[in-house]
Amino acid sequence: ETGVTQTPRHLVMGMTNKKSLKCEQHLGHNAMYWYKQSAKKPLELMFVYSLEERVENNSVPSRFSPECPNSSHLFLHLHTLQPEDSALYLCASSGIGFSYNEQFFGPGTRLTVL
Amino acid sequence: QQPVQSPQAVILREGEDAVINCSSSKALYSVHWYRQKHGEAPVFLMILLKGGEQKGHEKISASFNEKKQQSSLYLTASQLSYSGTYFCGTAPNTGNQFYFGTGTSLTVIP
Repeated sequence: ETGVTQTPRHLVMGMTNKKSLKCEQHLGHNAMYWYKQSAKKPLELMFVYSLEERVENNSVPSRFSPECPNSSHLFLHLHTLQPEDSALYLCASSGIGFSYNEQFFGPGTRLTVL
Repeated sequence: QQPVQSPQAVILREGEDAVINCSSSKALYSVHWYRQKHGEAPVFLMILLKGGEQKGHEKISASFNEKKQQSSLYLTASQLSYSGTYFCGTAPNTGNQFYFGTGTSLTVIP
């Protein structure tokens, strides 16, 4: 595997389900990110992890819970989601400091909440 | 907080030029440009750091006016492969934030 991988690629869940999204990067980076991309809206930064520490949480509802067990893996745990949470969830990684490093994106997980 | 891009959409014929603008209300440390094709992940094009530098990448170049918090992406002699949605991404001078712009859909036709 190369680059940034995400699983699953598609997910349909009910409002009462619990599921997790997984992201893995094979680039030796130390920073990882979760983005939400909704139709007709800009990419929204949700969480930032640097050296496995969460450094930013952009007022994301608690029904989204990130986890970064090591510098190569990032999870997004989902619980009691709402239909408006349906979107493409993108994971990205970079060297430390996204201000001056390019971000490499995974292919995304298309999430549908029924 | 999110930068505003213009135009929202543009259609070009092969070989024509285009300019995409990105404007922020915040003082910026850097501006990034990405291209996303339909159904694919965004792909990095270039970064511009404050200092007003201009960068080039084959026939795609960009400038950054730090005083105006504006950046422009220049696509010259467009090719079919340039089609996609272009996003600017901005990192303000302070904080751990990164904001993507509203996006510009670019379509190149034969």
